Amino acid sequence: DAGITQSPRHKVTETGTPVTLRCHQTENHRYMYWYRQDPGHGLRLIHYSYGVKDTDKGEVSDGYSVSRSKTEDFLLTLESATSSQTSVYFCAISGQGVTEAFFGQGTRLTVV
Amino acid sequence: GNSVTQMEGPVTLSEEAFLTINCTYTATGYPSLFWYVQYPGEGLQLPLKATKADDKGSNKGFEATYRKETTSFHLEKGSVQVSDSAVYFCALEQGGSEKLVFGKGTKLTVNP
Repeated sequence: DAGITQSPRHKVTETGTPVTLRCHQTENHRYMYWYRQDPGHGLRLIHYSYGVKDTDKGEVSDGYSVSRSKTEDFLLTLESATSSQTSVYFCAISGQGVTEAFFGQGTRLTVV
Repeated sequence: GNSVTQMEGPVTLSEEAFLTINCTYTATGYPSLFWYVQYPGEGLQLPLKATKADDKGSNKGFEATYRKETTSFHLEKGSVQVSDSAVYFCALEQGGSEKLVFGKGTKLTVNP
C-alpha cells in the first residue's frame, strides 16, 4: 500500500467553525490532491498541488483552502464549515510520469 | 472539458454472472483511462488502467479495453464473486495534466 495517511478519519463539527484535514505521504510524490465524494456525484476535485507551495483550484474549490509547506503534507481547510460540506474527503498522491493516483482511507466530515 | 460517463447503478448480479459496466469519455488528445474500485469503508484502489488506444487493462479477472473509436473503456468480468461487491469508478487523466476526472460511480452488489 502507498504510504498515505489522512487525519482525522472522522470528525463532527458545528456550522461556522474552521476545520483542517491533513494528508501525509511517505512516498515523496510530487502531486497531491483533495477530493470530496458525495452520492450521485462521484469524486470531485477540490484542490491539488504540484509541488511545495504550488497549488491550484479544482472544480469545487469554493469554501476551501489548501497549503503545502512540505512535500509530505497537504492540508485542506474549511474556513467556516457549512452543512453542504458534509462529505467524505479523500486525499490522493501521484508521481510525475506515473499516471495512476493512490488514495488515502478517507475522512468522514459531518457539519451539524 | 474532459468528462466521464458511466452507467447508472446500482447493479445487482448473482454469483458467477457476467459483468459489464459501461464507461465512455470525452477528452481531447489521448487520455489515460482507469477503473478504480472502492470497497465499503475504504479508499479507492486501482484495479486496472490503459494508457493508449487498443490497450487492454486486466486485473484479477477484470478487463477493460481502451477503444478510441467509440471513446469507451467498458469494464468486464466473466464470472463475478460476492467479494466483487463494491463501487466502481471510471476515470481519465488528460495527458500531462496529472489530474483525474471521475465518473459518478456504479455500485455493484453480487448475491450468493
